[in-house]
Amino acid sequence: GAGVSQSPRYKVAKRGQDVALRCDPISGHVSLFWYQQALGQGPEFLTYFQNEAQLDKSGLPSDRFFAERPEGSVSTLKIQRTQQEDSAVYLCASSTRTATYEQYFGPGTRLTVT
Amino acid sequence: AQSVSQHNHHVILSEAASLELGCNYSYGGTVNLFWYVQYPGQHLQLLLKYFSGDPLVKGIKGFEAEFIKSKFSFNLRKPSVQWSDTAEYFCAVKAAGNKLTFGGGTRVLVKP
Repeated sequence: GAGVSQSPRYKVAKRGQDVALRCDPISGHVSLFWYQQALGQGPEFLTYFQNEAQLDKSGLPSDRFFAERPEGSVSTLKIQRTQQEDSAVYLCASSTRTATYEQYFGPGTRLTVT
Repeated sequence: AQSVSQHNHHVILSEAASLELGCNYSYGGTVNLFWYVQYPGQHLQLLLKYFSGDPLVKGIKGFEAEFIKSKFSFNLRKPSVQWSDTAEYFCAVKAAGNKLTFGGGTRVLVKP
């Protein structure tokens, strides 16, 4: 079956540009997560949705980062006025709302800000 | 806030050697524990997980991990590695809330 998909897979942006990263979760998955993975580090939590509700955005590093999931399915992570420190792989994960709580990860979008 | 430490950043070993990767976390309450693996060019995949019950959990591809609550540890083991185990391994903790907190990862290189 189809897993989590993300697009684009690679994005190069000039400093100051806005970018939008898309995540298509596994069909029927209620929960959706965004993580940021800097080079040589583990993923770090950014934000979490349950259906269309953004229940936790404590990991967003600044107000330049914004995420939405308006219909409870596809999600978009937007970064405004990109800076070099935003360069990272952005991972999306989805899960069902069950006791087993396994998060399924997408391939990520590698963002490079020049 | 919870944190996760993986002691080894890089491990190099030969096929058939035994592997043990350390993971310690800091959180005093109930936790769920995970090991994820990322093979070259692939996305993160779940190796195994601990929620409750038997502290020795078995995962895919012959991996196992032991939860030692008194040591706040969840070490990953495999008795005999293969070249195909070359990958990066991440320990993760779910404590309060729904997010996962990851360690920094351990890159494992298995020489044929």
